[in-house]
Amino acid sequence: AQTVTQSQPEMSVQEAETVTLSCTYDTSENNYYLFWYKQPPSRQMILVIRQEAYKQQNATENRFSVNFQKAAKSFSLKISDSQLGDTAMYFCAFMKPHDNAGNMLTFGGGTRLMVKP
Amino acid sequence: NAGVTQTPKFRVLKTGQSMTLLCAQDMNHEYMYWYRQDPGMGLRLIHYSVGEGTTAKGEVPDGYNVSRLKKQNFLLGLESAAPSQTSVYFCASSYYRDPWDTEAFFGQGTRLTVV
Repeated sequence: AQTVTQSQPEMSVQEAETVTLSCTYDTSENNYYLFWYKQPPSRQMILVIRQEAYKQQNATENRFSVNFQKAAKSFSLKISDSQLGDTAMYFCAFMKPHDNAGNMLTFGGGTRLMVKP
Repeated sequence: NAGVTQTPKFRVLKTGQSMTLLCAQDMNHEYMYWYRQDPGMGLRLIHYSVGEGTTAKGEVPDGYNVSRLKKQNFLLGLESAAPSQTSVYFCASSYYRDPWDTEAFFGQGTRLTVV
């Protein structure tokens, strides 16, 4: 079974600055997906970014980028130019695609990020 | 474009009562899931379904039952609610085009309190 660990329960950052959220995972699989989800106070789960394990290049989406270290089983999220709207809970998640057994996500415990004006 | 819709959004139950949470998706997805979210524990998988008429247990299935009689609907039942089932429940669905093209879409969650 896979496990996902987010060691920072809470973080804060000043508006316009950069912040990095940490995530480590444990798996014996070689091929898998990793995700970061954002959950604002509305409770909606919003996909921020995803990384395919077979890709060496780190994924980027506008102000969001990841540092994927496969050997170290580390998957951190960097938010550049932080905005007040980035205030949310962030979840790291792991998925091993299964053709007949569903694509279940395993989540970390979450990091609550507050962006301060 | 509704996506994934959960009903109800809030509910308070007394210990021992039963209820059913409904999840509906309009994206023709094969896979559907029920998760529960508790502080510090992220989201944990309760049950899932890989197609109409099929269900399977996830990480924390005890005290819950599910049914998927129609492809677009996935029901989560609590037969005898307990305070430990106080949580926020999320339904999700996902497509499967190939092993490397998949994404999960979530409903807005149901906050359930058992007193």
